[in-house]
Amino acid sequence: GQNIDQPTEMTATEGAIVQINCTYQTSGFNGLFWYQQHAGEAPTFLSYNVLDGLEEKGRFSSFLSRSKGYSYLLLKELQMKDSASYLCASPPRAGSYQLTFGKGTKLSVIP
Amino acid sequence: DTGVSQNPRHKITKRGQNVTFRCDPISEHNRLYWYRQTLGQGPEFLTYFQNEAQLEKSRLLSDRFSAERPKGSFSTLEIQRTEQGDSAMYLCASSKGLRTLSSGNTIYFGEGSWLTVV
Repeated sequence: GQNIDQPTEMTATEGAIVQINCTYQTSGFNGLFWYQQHAGEAPTFLSYNVLDGLEEKGRFSSFLSRSKGYSYLLLKELQMKDSASYLCASPPRAGSYQLTFGKGTKLSVIP
Repeated sequence: DTGVSQNPRHKITKRGQNVTFRCDPISEHNRLYWYRQTLGQGPEFLTYFQNEAQLEKSRLLSDRFSAERPKGSFSTLEIQRTEQGDSAMYLCASSKGLRTLSSGNTIYFGEGSWLTVV
């Protein structure tokens, strides 16, 4: 089966940098996704990694190490609006067309 | 550009009653998904369709749950004889299909339908 683990909660200060970690185990790797979900709203796609390394997209970057089964989401220059849950997700097996999600990391940005 | 649309957005029902949720995916998206999410948890996969064919169902989907996508467009999720444990947000999502998931073929979620069973 698949197991995706991420911290439950994190708190960071406005303007700072925060790193949200995710470890995963899948039977056949087929990419790692990060979604953002504000309270009461739909999850929205943030990033996708399938090769090792860092993918940068504005203030958000995502890193993947396939050999370690590890990813992180890096948020720079934190803004209050970044307070949300961040969901790590991956197809449960190679060739699967659905995503299995972690429980999400609730990030609180404080002034 | 319309996203994934779900209705009703909120439903309060008495235990034992049946409820039905409707989802209209992004037009021309071949794949349609149903997920369930409770407070403090990530979305849990329930089932998905490729056009009108239901290709995968989770073990979470008990016999009281049934999903249909009769013409390969909109979908309905029916829960029969609701129980208090069914209280959750039911998320519908869609993707283009035809290929594996990637940054260019990701899953787009609707706003969800909140179910409260009293």
